[in-house]
This record gives sequence, structure tokens and C-alpha cells, in this order.
Amino acid sequence: KAGVTQTPRYLIKTRGQQVTLSCSPISGHRSVSWYQQTPGQGLQFLFEYFSETQRNKGNFPGRFSGRQFSNSRSEMNVSTLELGDSALYLCASSYSGTPPTGYTFGSGTRLTVV
Amino acid sequence: DQQVKQNSPSLSVQEGRISILNCDYTNSMFDYFLWYKKYPAEGPTFLISISSIKDKNEDGRFTVFLNKSAKHLSLHIVPSQPGDSAVYFCAASANSGAGSYQLTFGKGTKLSVIP
Repeated sequence: KAGVTQTPRYLIKTRGQQVTLSCSPISGHRSVSWYQQTPGQGLQFLFEYFSETQRNKGNFPGRFSGRQFSNSRSEMNVSTLELGDSALYLCASSYSGTPPTGYTFGSGTRLTVV
Repeated sequence: DQQVKQNSPSLSVQEGRISILNCDYTNSMFDYFLWYKKYPAEGPTFLISISSIKDKNEDGRFTVFLNKSAKHLSLHIVPSQPGDSAVYFCAASANSGAGSYQLTFGKGTKLSVIP
């Protein structure tokens, strides 16, 4: 059974650019959540998508957005990149998102903004 | 304001002994508590969880204890093995409405098990 796949694994971008990250969930999983991990703030919730709808959103600026496709694959977009956006971005999938014990995380995308 | 705190950034334990990782929380609305293990360059791996209506859950060498009155939970690993060396994250979840649960993580404790 394939796990959660995130692409690309590593990315270097320049300030002001935009970036799109991709997450393919486990087959059959309909919930995809995104988290940002930084040394200072730890793991922080960005948003959750379920059946192509954003069901929940964390406390991040509007530059962070996402979407989910009919096959449950999800993309996350960050516009007008700032140095502080450098982080490991993790996505997690589950069948329904409830209860949360069924979340499986991908290996993440390491974004470096220079 | 950090709702989930892991006050020990690191912990070293001899192989075969017990590892105890601690976590405190402030939000009374949390209804599930989870422990994740993370190796470098990998995503967190789910270890064990506990519902807020229970005070103990066991899975093999791993036991999680929940003290709701103290808003404290702990993960016990017995016996500790060198392969347990990793960063351990405590996480808590609450229903955010519309069936969505978001995880609030602590900042992690790096466990080193010394052979």
C-alpha cells in the first residue's frame, strides 16, 4: 500500500516568488491536512481539505492557499514568498479525518527561500 | 500561546531502561491526544493515542497515561531500545466543527537511547 507522497522533496525559491507543493494521499483517503514545521514554531496546522472543500484553516496569512482535486490529491500554494516561509511542509491524509488517530504523514517538502 | 508543551527538549536513557516523555496542555476542549515519532528527513509516524475519556492506553512497549485534572500526559517506553532514538511529538486534537480535527503539536523531545 503506497504511503503519502509529497513532491518535490526539496525546493529553493527566491523571495517574492510563488511556489506550489503537491500531496498525493493514500488511496481511499479523502482528508488531506497540511502542516508547517519550523525550528522556532514547531509543527503548525495550515488547513484541511475533505472532498475538495476546505474544512478548516489555521492561523496563516492569505498568501497560503490550497486546493483538493476530485482524486483527493492536494496542492498547497504560497505566493510572494518571504524568508520566514522557509520550512518543512508536511501533509497528512486520513479516510475521513475523524477521529484523528488515522493520520498518515508524508515525508515533507523542504522549502528554502533565499 | 502554546497550548501543548513539551518542556524537555532532550532525554537520554540507557538501553533496557524506561523512557518517560512528558507533555502538558492548556485547552480543556482537546478530546484526543497522540504521540508521534519522527526521524530526520521523514514525516512523523503515529505511535499511540488516547481519548480524553480514558486514563491509560497500552500498545506493546508503549503506554500513554492521561491525567485530565493536571492537564498532563506521558509516554512510557519499556524497555527502551536504540531504535527508539528519535524526536517524539505530543499532539492534541479538538473537533473544529464540520467533522474536522486539527492537531496541535508540542515542540518535541529528542530521545537518545544509549546502548
